Amino acid sequence: AQSVAQPEDQVNVAEGNPLTVKCTYSVSGNPYLFWYVQYPNRGLQFLLKYITGDNLVKGSYGFEAEFNKSQTSFHLKKPSALVSDSALYFCAVRDSGTALIFGKGTTLSVSS
Amino acid sequence: DTAVSQTPKYLVTQMGNDKSIKCEQNLGHDTMYWYKQDSKKFLKIMFSYNNKELIINETVPNRFSPKSPDKAHLNLHINSLELGDSAVYFCASGRQQTSTGELFFGEGSRLTVL
Repeated sequence: AQSVAQPEDQVNVAEGNPLTVKCTYSVSGNPYLFWYVQYPNRGLQFLLKYITGDNLVKGSYGFEAEFNKSQTSFHLKKPSALVSDSALYFCAVRDSGTALIFGKGTTLSVSS
Repeated sequence: DTAVSQTPKYLVTQMGNDKSIKCEQNLGHDTMYWYKQDSKKFLKIMFSYNNKELIINETVPNRFSPKSPDKAHLNLHINSLELGDSAVYFCASGRQQTSTGELFFGEGSRLTVL
């Protein structure tokens, strides 16, 4: 079965510093990987996805993610964090039944 | 125009009652989903419909019954509500043919069972 793991419950970073939110995956077949963000009392917003091709994927709001096949990882990154980036971030993998299977989420807290 | 809309946004009810949540998407997608987000923020797939046909039915009590009158609508009816049903329920839509495509989510319906 497809699955993703987010090893950190919370990531704290100062505004202006680079941020990384970690995700590892376990899939059979091609990995179709996604990142979503959830602001308080809101739905999930799509940030970016990896399907095939370039291992560095660029997405919304200045976020990017690096796909690493040998380490089975898909970490979310941003060169310079903003306070407004503070939110709950989910990594997800597409399963054979077309649904997205989500990790447990990582809370990102950016301090000013 | 909201792409995926759910109603109601908030629902407070007593144990044992029956309630429904409605979802509509105007994106022209052929597949719709219900997810449950619990108090720890875990997101779990419950159901998926493709062109009005049930394609995913995870281990969910049969008190939960999805209904899709057409491919733009997916409703969730819950019978005999229990305390453990309190959660945020998210509707989502996507294209099944494009297994690489992202899903679009509604804003959620927060159900509180007292």
